[in-house]
Amino acid sequence: KAGVTQTPRYLIKTRGQQVTLSCSPISGHRSVSWYQQTPGQGLQFLFEYFSETQRNKGNFPGRFSGRQFSNSRSEMNVSTLELGDSALYLCASSLAGWGPGTEAFFGQGTRLTVV
Amino acid sequence: KNEVEQSPQNLTAQEGEFITINCSYSVGISALHWLQQHPGGGIVSLFMLSSGKKKHGRLIATINIQEKHSSLHITASHPRDSAVYICALSYNTDKLIFGTGTRLQVFP
Repeated sequence: KAGVTQTPRYLIKTRGQQVTLSCSPISGHRSVSWYQQTPGQGLQFLFEYFSETQRNKGNFPGRFSGRQFSNSRSEMNVSTLELGDSALYLCASSLAGWGPGTEAFFGQGTRLTVV
Repeated sequence: KNEVEQSPQNLTAQEGEFITINCSYSVGISALHWLQQHPGGGIVSLFMLSSGKKKHGRLIATINIQEKHSSLHITASHPRDSAVYICALSYNTDKLIFGTGTRLQVFP
């Protein structure tokens, strides 16, 4: 079956712009979580959606937002981009979250560069 | 103090060597994940553990819940094992907490 698909793979934006990233989970998976990876901070949790509801949010400013559609596809949006938002953004999908017995499936990531 | 600590941060090995990467954590968890990230960014899940030991090919992962410690072992290492290995914790249903990763380089 198809894996987790993230689009686009690469993106270059200018400071002040906004950006939308997309994540299509594995068919049947209802949980999608988003992570930011930077050389200085490593992998950090952004937010998680399950059945169109945000269940948890990491410690990021309100410029970072997301949503999940009825088909479980998820988008994240970053408004008013800053240079520090340059990072690899990864999404992961699972059946219902990260409880025991849940395996993680990650996308290839979207590499965002803000100039 | 970080909830999850990995060691070493960097590891260099010759092909064929036995490799151990350690992960210690300070919170009660529902599961611990070992992840592999190759250059280019994509992350692959290697193991998900809640107790005991798992083996897949040349990879072995163990966890000691009482000591809050897990190890990832690679037997007969190969240059294609070169990657960043990340330990991640799940202790509620909706997020993962990541270690800082171990960068492994295996030379022929």
